[in-house]
Amino acid sequence: GEDVEQSLFLSVREGDSSVINCTYTDSSSTYLYWYKQEPGAGLQLLTYIFSNMDMKQDQRLTVLLNKKDKHLSLRIADTQTGDSAIYFCAERRSGGGADGLTFGKGTHLIIQP
Amino acid sequence: GAVVSQHPSRVICKSGTSVKIECRSLDFQATTMFWYRQFPKKSLMLMATSNEGSKATYEQGVEKDKFLINHASLTLSTLTVTSAHPEDSSFYICSANLVGYYGYTFGSGTRLTVV
Repeated sequence: GEDVEQSLFLSVREGDSSVINCTYTDSSSTYLYWYKQEPGAGLQLLTYIFSNMDMKQDQRLTVLLNKKDKHLSLRIADTQTGDSAIYFCAERRSGGGADGLTFGKGTHLIIQP
Repeated sequence: GAVVSQHPSRVICKSGTSVKIECRSLDFQATTMFWYRQFPKKSLMLMATSNEGSKATYEQGVEKDKFLINHASLTLSTLTVTSAHPEDSSFYICSANLVGYYGYTFGSGTRLTVV
């Protein structure tokens, strides 16, 4: 199966909170990331979390990590139309500096007016 | 800081020709850069790790003779798609990370179409 899994779509109403979920399989993951990709563009780093943390909050973004279940989530409070994009969960597996990331397939966040 | 510039953003080429994509770190030095390929509705797949001054490390299943990587300086890595075929059409993205910074910065990507 896939190393990093995400649901492909999430639809929320403007102003509500969005929660995007991700599961991973490798317990050696040291850092976990959330990236945002708008149509035709590259990836924008939203936030990251160390594997020894449970939660990280940065303005409207809250990341929760459950290491036991290998589950990562991204909560976007007060979702706006500008949040419409594809959100990728990614893991980095070792502590070295020369490791690429393993990505999920991305969750397309759709905002309803 | 930590800006990665990728060019061109879009290229169309004929089958059998070669295409070079550049990835530059603008305000930092990157001994390591990464090249990814993104298929429609698919995740990004790591193709190779580009190492300054040495050979690139390719992921399993990626043809090193087809996807030539050169990392001649601390701020520039290039990916050359040789003898391109329509199945090479894809979105290619490079990334690098700044030492001491845990995030990876990505270029804006190159849309390659082989006709």
